[in-house]
Amino acid sequence: GAGVSQSPSNKVTEKGKDVELRCDPISGHTALYWYRQSLGQGLEFLIYFQGNSAPDKSGLPSDRFSAERTGGSVSTLTIQRTQQEDSAVYLCASSSPGGNTIYFGEGSWLTVV
Amino acid sequence: ELKVEQNPLFLSMQEGKNYTIYCNYSTTSDRLYWYRQDPGKSLESLFVLLSNGAVKQEGRLMASLDTKARLSTLHITAAVHDLSATYFCAPPGGGSNYKLTFGKGTLLTVNP
Repeated sequence: GAGVSQSPSNKVTEKGKDVELRCDPISGHTALYWYRQSLGQGLEFLIYFQGNSAPDKSGLPSDRFSAERTGGSVSTLTIQRTQQEDSAVYLCASSSPGGNTIYFGEGSWLTVV
Repeated sequence: ELKVEQNPLFLSMQEGKNYTIYCNYSTTSDRLYWYRQDPGKSLESLFVLLSNGAVKQEGRLMASLDTKARLSTLHITAAVHDLSATYFCAPPGGGSNYKLTFGKGTLLTVNP
């Protein structure tokens, strides 16, 4: 596609439920990133993929958070047993091999009630 | 741990005026990113500054990077209402070129 595509764009879930957020990067982009934006914490790095490998998971806030990437393309961020503090916008980004610009998607707005 | 400080955090300008947003960061980084965010929207890449002394211009915006001073600036020339948005600077940290550490953002409002 033309840009980084994320779904769902909005998700309201009950506390304790699991959620999956999907990211489809720009075609040909081997690097993929997940960030989180919240009022309290600002923009935070979560995880970085190069191909299907995740050499840097240092930003995942707890073991309730996990992510995978398949086929060097689509990535899924999973949050288990959601808590209210997980409410945020989850932004996916990608960049091309040797490219310097990191392109962000529109984000998935998650609200945990 | 890399810390990024932007100032001002809030900026109200009149159309036609000039102003500069400053971005200081605490540890060495040889590159820096600037993004724009409109309300409810995602981050739009403005500039990628890749070396000390780098200067890039696009329309009324010009960004520069001084890696020795750990300082980047975003200069606005003859502001127009369409520039109203939040601007973020983000150097990579943790020894990477990708792990962006964002400042708190500067909310710019340009008034007629």
